[in-house]
Amino acid sequence: DAKTTQPNSMESNEEEPVHLPCNHSTISGTDYIHWYRQLPSQGPEYVIHGLTSNVNNRMASLAIAEDRKSSTLILHRATLRDAAVYYCMGSSNTGKLIFGQGTTLQVKP
Amino acid sequence: NAGVMQNPRHLVRRRGQEARLRCSPMKGHSHVYWYRQLPEEGLKFMVYLQKENIIDESGMPKERFSAEFPKEGPSILRIQQVVRGDSAAYFCASSPPHPGQVNYGYTFGSGTRLTVV
Repeated sequence: DAKTTQPNSMESNEEEPVHLPCNHSTISGTDYIHWYRQLPSQGPEYVIHGLTSNVNNRMASLAIAEDRKSSTLILHRATLRDAAVYYCMGSSNTGKLIFGQGTTLQVKP
Repeated sequence: NAGVMQNPRHLVRRRGQEARLRCSPMKGHSHVYWYRQLPEEGLKFMVYLQKENIIDESGMPKERFSAEFPKEGPSILRIQQVVRGDSAAYFCASSPPHPGQVNYGYTFGSGTRLTVV
């Protein structure tokens, strides 16, 4: 399982973009990079995943470094509802997801 | 299409009692994963089950904890003789069968918050 490193916390202003970094230098060539978030008192919520190319969906964008040792989750316009703990992780063919400590994102009005 | 359903949402047990937590996966999903989140901590993998089969229980405590996913009905996480340290939020997720790498998002339930008094 890939070891991931994320900053403990980040702050953003409402309506501004947020870039959440993640280092995953030990990820294998076939592991997908997944991002989940957990809002207070709720279960984890899938955000986005990718392998090599940058990915976009309605929630966010995922920028993956060319060497795949790091990635950045981009929230284009942060809202107060985006305040959560954001987790990045590598998948594996074992099926289980291994959560790290994540980044606590605070969004200021 | 209902998501992953967990019940009860809140469960209070006295020390020494048994706790049973249920997880109904999304329709068509045959794989279930259980996670535990202790207060102010991250999510820890516990067990991965297919119907009638435990695939990976590497995160399960050696004693008092068991899990099953019968052919019919929800997956059950059972904690016998609960202690105060079992107080936590327990989440389950479900997925369809995946022959290789996980190339989709898992859906998690809202969790069961167990309080041992």
